[in-house]
Amino acid sequence: GQNIDQPTEMTATEGAIVQINCTYQTSGFNGLFWYQQHAGEAPTFLSYNVLDGLEEKGRFSSFLSRSKGYSYLLLKELQMKDSASYLCAVRLRSNQAGTALIFGKGTTLSVSS
Amino acid sequence: DAGITQSPRHKVTETGTPVTLRCHQTENHRYMYWYRQDPGHGLRLIHYSYGVKDTDKGEVSDGYSVSRSKTEDFLLTLESATSSQTSVYFCAISEGSGYTFGSGTRLTVV
Repeated sequence: GQNIDQPTEMTATEGAIVQINCTYQTSGFNGLFWYQQHAGEAPTFLSYNVLDGLEEKGRFSSFLSRSKGYSYLLLKELQMKDSASYLCAVRLRSNQAGTALIFGKGTTLSVSS
Repeated sequence: DAGITQSPRHKVTETGTPVTLRCHQTENHRYMYWYRQDPGHGLRLIHYSYGVKDTDKGEVSDGYSVSRSKTEDFLLTLESATSSQTSVYFCAISEGSGYTFGSGTRLTVV
């Protein structure tokens, strides 16, 4: 089976930095994705890692270690609008799963002033 | 913008009735997916399609069927709705390394 773990909830203060961890044990691996989802809305793409290392995009960065089955999403200079759920997802290499994404249960981040 | 629309946006139906949700895309993408999202479970894959009339099951396919007779439309059918199928349903397409989701359908089975 596939297993993707991330913390259920996190809290942080406006202006701070927060790191959301994701560990995965899957039968294949062809990339790791992070999505942001505000309440009542669709998930929106944040980042994609397929090789080890850090990808930076503005206030958001994502890191991947394939040997450890580990990724994190780093959010800097937190703003109130960053309060949302953050979804970690793995694309499997297996042809039987097509190119579908398998998701973790998501981390709900609450940012307070 | 991937041009994905889902219909209806909201639906309330009775147990035992058939329900069909529609996902429409305007950019000729090959791969389309149906997910459901429930508290405590996250997004789970129901079915996916890799072309016209080519579909396969995901991890939670029991009680659901799909059809894709045209590239642009991917239909999800609940043959006989049950209360356990109350959920938010998302359609998605993949384009290159990215995946884009529709706005979702909130289905309530009473």
